[in-house]
Amino acid sequence: EAQVTQNPRYLITVTGKKLTVTCSQNMNHEYMSWYRQDPGLGLRQIYYSMNVEVTDKGDVPEGYKVSRKEKRNFPLILESPSPNQTSLYFCASSLSSGPSYEQYFGPGTRLTVT
Amino acid sequence: LAKTTQPISMDSYEGQEVNITCSHNNIATNDYITWYQQFPSQGPRFIIQGYKTKVTNEVASLFIPADRKSSTLSLPRVSLSDTAVYYCLVGRSGANNLFFGTGTRLTVIP
Repeated sequence: EAQVTQNPRYLITVTGKKLTVTCSQNMNHEYMSWYRQDPGLGLRQIYYSMNVEVTDKGDVPEGYKVSRKEKRNFPLILESPSPNQTSLYFCASSLSSGPSYEQYFGPGTRLTVT
Repeated sequence: LAKTTQPISMDSYEGQEVNITCSHNNIATNDYITWYQQFPSQGPRFIIQGYKTKVTNEVASLFIPADRKSSTLSLPRVSLSDTAVYYCLVGRSGANNLFFGTGTRLTVIP
């Protein structure tokens, strides 16, 4: 089954404790991205990747890192999480870049930073 | 990447047709218009995409006027399960970042 998976689905952590949210897709997609969703602010892009070893900042990249060492995986790293990073996070992938390509979203990761 | 403007929210009764309009005044020649649906606590999912005139699939219709500065997503005879947030995206192949915005929250009332 074609899908995007994220782990963990729920995470509660404390300020400053490094964490990684994994994202994997099995569709051989080139383009992958991370979003955060907050009430009233909609869906905002954090980082995106055009292909292996090619990543760039989205609209809200501060406090996040990403890497794309393999085509299927695109982990999101919070080196020193803060309470303002409490949010619902989505990973997405598509065949190539641009809104004309259908984005496939993962199930989401709800992160709480205390 | 063309920014879009949508109503923040809409209410509709079950069985009615719902039309959600998206404004994209700065749309470029090669831009496509794509709509997504998001249920609570789930990722958005693709509904429909078009370039001009009218596109219809089993879920919705998309109407695009000749000047392409707006588009209308039409949901026929909505049910309670159509309660969701609907996002309009505009852009072309090769555009790097995507702008979803806040979308339109549709609430279907029994």
